[in-house]
Amino acid sequence: EDQVTQSPEALRLQEGESSSLNCSYTVSGLRGLFWYRQDPGKGPEFLFTLYSAGEEKEKERLKATLTKKESFLHITAPKPEDSATYLCAVQGSGAGSYQLTFGKGTKLSVIP
Amino acid sequence: DAGVTQSPTHLIKTRGQHVTLRCSPISGHKSVSWYQQVLGQGPQFIFQYYEKEERGRGNFPDRFSARQFPNYSSELNVNALLLGDSALYLCASSFSTNTEAFFGQGTRLTVV
Repeated sequence: EDQVTQSPEALRLQEGESSSLNCSYTVSGLRGLFWYRQDPGKGPEFLFTLYSAGEEKEKERLKATLTKKESFLHITAPKPEDSATYLCAVQGSGAGSYQLTFGKGTKLSVIP
Repeated sequence: DAGVTQSPTHLIKTRGQHVTLRCSPISGHKSVSWYQQVLGQGPQFIFQYYEKEERGRGNFPDRFSARQFPNYSSELNVNALLLGDSALYLCASSFSTNTEAFFGQGTRLTVV
């Protein structure tokens, strides 16, 4: 069974204070690891897909990296508008391989 | 370009009733998946449909059913509603079964 654990559960940062969110996973053959951003009461917004260890992707102040056991979402010089819950999900190649298995998310608050 | 659209946005039902939720995928996408998200948790997989066939089913009771129409839109049906069915129901569309999934805004279902 695929599993995803995200840490920390909540993170408060001052504006401009860089940090990283962690996503640890166990999966039977990784098809892809996905990062989403979710604002309260709304659907998740797609950010990145990573497919293999060593891969990195960047978008504005966000950078996602992947190893064989975990992924990091690095946030550089965050702004208040980056406040949201960040979700990590994996898609494996085992039974039920079409589904995304999500972690509980990290709630990020950026204080002006 | 229109994203994934879900209707209704909010719904209040009484225990024991039946509910139908609807989803229109992004144009050109042939796969639709349904997820349930309770407060404080990540989305949990319910169903995936591709080319009008069920391709995956999560650990949900038979009260939950779904279908996909020739135009690739989809319905999620839940019978004999329980208080525990109260959640945000998310629809995600993707080009195929293992490509990036894009989510709609969700339907907030409250069972009283």
